[in-house]
Amino acid sequence: GESVGLHLPTLSVQEGDNSIINCAYSNSASDYFIWYKQESGKGPQFIIDIRSNMDKRQGQRVTVLLNKTVKHLSLQIAATQPGDSAVYFCAEVTGGGNKLTFGTGTQLKVEL
Amino acid sequence: DTAVSQTPKYLVTQMGNDKSIKCEQNLGHDTMYWYKQDSKKFLKIMFSYNNKELIINETVPNRFSPKSPDKAHLNLHINSLELGDSAVYFCASSQEERKAFFGQGTRLTVV
Repeated sequence: GESVGLHLPTLSVQEGDNSIINCAYSNSASDYFIWYKQESGKGPQFIIDIRSNMDKRQGQRVTVLLNKTVKHLSLQIAATQPGDSAVYFCAEVTGGGNKLTFGTGTQLKVEL
Repeated sequence: DTAVSQTPKYLVTQMGNDKSIKCEQNLGHDTMYWYKQDSKKFLKIMFSYNNKELIINETVPNRFSPKSPDKAHLNLHINSLELGDSAVYFCASSQEERKAFFGQGTRLTVV
């Protein structure tokens, strides 16, 4: 069956360090993979996505890497800031773009 | 201006009651969704509507009935509420599924 999961439920990093959040998936038919950020009391917010035919995509302070061989996705956040503290979800898009399946989430805590 | 707004933000009700959550988006998107987030933060899609037409209906009890009067609104009505329905419900909209915009959520507590 389909599943999207995360290796670490909680990640603590020092302010200014780089953060790496990992995600494993099992559905090879996914069209896109997405990272969402959810701050406390708010809805998920789109961060960055990557097509299934790409290996890497960069945004502002964030990079997503996709390794289809081992079905692994990661989100790298450079120079982590207190405002980055949130729960991060990976998600996969299937069904011709009509279905978004979320992983279980990783809590990122930034220590001052 | 709030892009996706849902009301109420908090809803506390007794078992057996019927309640509705409203959602409106002012982004001009064709597709709207309802997601349920449980106490462990797991997010799962419940319904998806495109231009007022139901396109995704996951395994959700038929006590849950979405209604889309127009493409800017997708309301969720829940009959005979149960304790297990307690969760945060998120409405979202998109033109492309991968860039869905989410509302602030409605925290439903059934007592």
